[in-house]
Amino acid sequence: QVQLVESGGGEVQPGTSLRLSCEASGFTFSRYGMHWVRQAPGKGLEWMAIMSSDGNKKYYVDSVKGRFTISRDNSKSTLYLQMNSLRLEDTAVYYCATDYCTSPSCYTLDYWGQGTLVTVSS
Amino acid sequence: QSALTQPASVSGSPGQSITISCTGTSSDVGGYNYVSWYQHHPGTAPKVMIYDVSNRPSGVSNRFSGSKSGNTASLTISGLQAEDEADYYCSSYTSSSTLVFGGGTKLTVL
Repeated sequence: QVQLVESGGGEVQPGTSLRLSCEASGFTFSRYGMHWVRQAPGKGLEWMAIMSSDGNKKYYVDSVKGRFTISRDNSKSTLYLQMNSLRLEDTAVYYCATDYCTSPSCYTLDYWGQGTLVTVSS
Repeated sequence: QSALTQPASVSGSPGQSITISCTGTSSDVGGYNYVSWYQHHPGTAPKVMIYDVSNRPSGVSNRFSGSKSGNTASLTISGLQAEDEADYYCSSYTSSSTLVFGGGTKLTVL
């Protein structure tokens, strides 16, 4: 069965960096676009970024452009989110999710991980 | 990239029907048929209930249906059941090749 396992979360200080990983199994990872979504405490879902199945296309929400970088290693079936210059408002549970469609992505999020908590605190 | 507008809460009694609206702009909801709806029970992973405005993934009850008119999409749940109590989010593809979620709606089954 499809499994997505996020890791790399933790408590960090403002201005520092963190890299999240999302290890996938149970499906052909290289065929699907992948997304990052976050949910701040008590808030709703916020979409962060998408990377196409081949890694050639990536798009971000404006609030993280220039600070966060999405990447993937299809040989390892792993998605990453490099987060730099972290701010207090980046505190959230971060989820990775598969796109529902094979290439091109259709921007429907199908399978989700259980999330990893990132806390930015001074 | 403003969030789509959803009511903060809706409620209904078992067996009744409810509708949740999701209002965007011509750059997202109104411009594309890439509207999805997600059910989220706190502490679990969200689950897609509707995609491409009105399509149900396999395994999703036909009590869930979706539609769109202009810049507003809607999710209707008929025959409400206690297990339907959850947070519901709409999402839409945008003209910037990004995705935007609604603010979420808390459904209470009375």
